[in-house]
Amino acid sequence: KNEVEQSPQNLTAQEGEFITINCSYSVGISALHWLQQHPGGGIVSLFMLSSGKKKHGRLIATINIQEKHSSLHITASHPRDSAVYICAVDPNDYKLSFGAGTTVTVRA
Amino acid sequence: SAVISQKPSRDICQRGTSLTIQCQVDSQVTMMFWYRQQPGQSLTLIATANQGSEATYESGFVIDKFPISRPNLTFSTLTVSNMSPEDSSIYLCSVDWGGTIEQFFGPGTRLTVL
Repeated sequence: KNEVEQSPQNLTAQEGEFITINCSYSVGISALHWLQQHPGGGIVSLFMLSSGKKKHGRLIATINIQEKHSSLHITASHPRDSAVYICAVDPNDYKLSFGAGTTVTVRA
Repeated sequence: SAVISQKPSRDICQRGTSLTIQCQVDSQVTMMFWYRQQPGQSLTLIATANQGSEATYESGFVIDKFPISRPNLTFSTLTVSNMSPEDSSIYLCSVDWGGTIEQFFGPGTRLTVL
């Protein structure tokens, strides 16, 4: 089973600050997902990565396959970015292993 | 992308009863998955719902407790049977998308067992 570690566990930022969340995993994968979970519980898929870097609006996700590491960056953070961000890895059988999540709070 | 709906969105149930959660997708998908997220925990895969055959359960989950149906390529149900307070969780379904290994998640069902 793939061990997925996220850091930090909790993060508080002031509006406008740059935020970075890290994810490390132990076994080779075919893809890595970054997910966002709001207090109601619903999950939104932000990115799916198998290599390199992706950008969507103020969100940037990178992955280094050799180092088994990914980062999610939020530029110019806003209070509406407050959520739990979850890293999940796919070992090529669709059965995702999830990190514990990073709780992000952005203060106005 | 796939649009997924779940019913109910939340429920409060009594110990010993059962609840069936529905997952509906707006297009045909090959694979559907059911996950559980216990309070303060990350998500855990319960089972893969296979169309036309029995679901494939992960270690620690059994069919008697979590029977799953998958009658067609757009719909699945998960039943939480003989519930106890430990079953209080968010239950989510997800689907793959066209063999691209991208997964989409439903909005979740928040279950509280008293």
